[in-house]
Amino acid sequence: GNSVTQMEGPVTLSEEAFLTINCTYTATGYPSLFWYVQYPGEGLQLLLKATKADDKGSNKGFEATYRKETTSFHLEKGSVQVSDSAVYFCALSNSGGYQKVTFGTGTKLQVIP
Amino acid sequence: KAGVTQTPRYLIKTRGQQVTLSCSPISGHRSVSWYQQTPGQGLQFLFEYFSETQRNKGNFPGRFSGRQFSNSRSEMNVSTLELGDSALYLCASSLGDRGSAGELFFGEGSRLTVL
Repeated sequence: GNSVTQMEGPVTLSEEAFLTINCTYTATGYPSLFWYVQYPGEGLQLLLKATKADDKGSNKGFEATYRKETTSFHLEKGSVQVSDSAVYFCALSNSGGYQKVTFGTGTKLQVIP
Repeated sequence: KAGVTQTPRYLIKTRGQQVTLSCSPISGHRSVSWYQQTPGQGLQFLFEYFSETQRNKGNFPGRFSGRQFSNSRSEMNVSTLELGDSALYLCASSLGDRGSAGELFFGEGSRLTVL
C-alpha cells in the first residue's frame, strides 16, 4: 500500500534560517506528491505539488523536487519567517480522479525571532 | 468564493451517543472527502463522495457512515460513540476529476470530544 514518511518534529529554527523537512514515500505506479500546511486552529492548505519525476513545485518561497530515484519530496525554504510556524504534511495521491490522499504524520515547525 | 464550511465546530458527546457532522463544499466542487485527525494516528481517510455516490472508503468500522446530497453538501455520522472517536474531523472538497487528483480544499474541522 501507499505510505509517506516524514521527519519527526518539532523543528525549531531562528528567523531567516534555512529549512529542510524530509519526506520519502512508498507507492505503486506514478503518484502525485504534495505538501500541505496547517496553521494553528485551521484546516490544511495545499502549499505545493508535483505530478511527475523531476518536477519542482514551488509556492511562497517553499520548494520541493520530485525525486523518483530516491522516492523523496523534501521541502525547502531559504529563509523562514515567524509566520511560517505551522505543521507541514507531505502527501501523495495515485488513485486517479479518486481523492484518496495518503498523508505523512506531519512536522511541526516553530520559527523564533 | 466561499470556502469549505463545516458545522458544528465543536461538540461534546458521551459514549454510546451518535453524532452527525455537516460539510458544505466550495461551489462547483463535486467531491467531498472526510478525514479523521488525531495526535496518535495523524490524518486517516474515512471516505469520499462524488455526485452522491461513495467511490472510496478507508479502513474504519461500519459505525462511520456518510452521504452526499444533490447540492454536493455532505454529512458524516458516527453511531455508538467510543472514547477513541475523539478527534478533529476534517472535510475536504475538490473538483474530483483526474486532473485535480490530490488537490484538496479543507474546512476548519469539527472537533469532537467523547466523554
